[in-house]
Amino acid sequence: GDSVTQTEGQVTVSESKSLIINCTYSATSIGYPNLFWYVRYPGEGLQLLLKVITAGQKGSSRGFEATYNKEATSFHLQKASVQESDSAVYYCALSGMTNSAGNKLTFGIGTRVLVRP
Amino acid sequence: DTTVKQNPRYKLARVGKPVNLICSQTMNHDTMYWYQKKPNQAPKLLLFYYDKILNREADTFEKFQSSRPNNSFCSLYIGSAGLEYSAMYLCASSSGGYAEQFFGPGTRLTVL
Repeated sequence: GDSVTQTEGQVTVSESKSLIINCTYSATSIGYPNLFWYVRYPGEGLQLLLKVITAGQKGSSRGFEATYNKEATSFHLQKASVQESDSAVYYCALSGMTNSAGNKLTFGIGTRVLVRP
Repeated sequence: DTTVKQNPRYKLARVGKPVNLICSQTMNHDTMYWYQKKPNQAPKLLLFYYDKILNREADTFEKFQSSRPNNSFCSLYIGSAGLEYSAMYLCASSSGGYAEQFFGPGTRLTVL
């Protein structure tokens, strides 16, 4: 089946420093999955941070970027300069086989990011 | 309003007892999903409703039931809770297909 592997555990970074969260995927149900980064801020539900549906394209939101690399099957999340408000749990996900009714998101385990002032 | 609501936020259940979790959305979305999230594991899709049609994942087919009495509400039902059901349950909704899924805050279920 489909799977997503991302940086595990907690990443601690100082404010204004750069951040990278690694994500690689394996998609067996579909050749070209849609790729997503979701974020969960404290006390809130999962929300979409960015998505990319075309290989080779880059998605960006709130200063974060991720590029869909089909050859490396990767979708790493990066930010050049983090803020305390970026402290959250980040999930990489792919959308596999779908129909007009709905689609299955396969998530990674989540990476907790703690930004220190 | 892109809010998905879940009730209750915390649920304590006894082994062998039934559990019913509720999700609601006011976005008139056709599709509603339930995911299960255990500590140190990725969220996992359990099932989803498209309109009144239920789609269940093969490996959770017999463990969970669901109902959708109207477009706005969807429930997740466990007939006899076991310790292995302790988890966070996430509800989401979308307008179908590849559309963005909007998630609720989750219900944390603890089975004792």
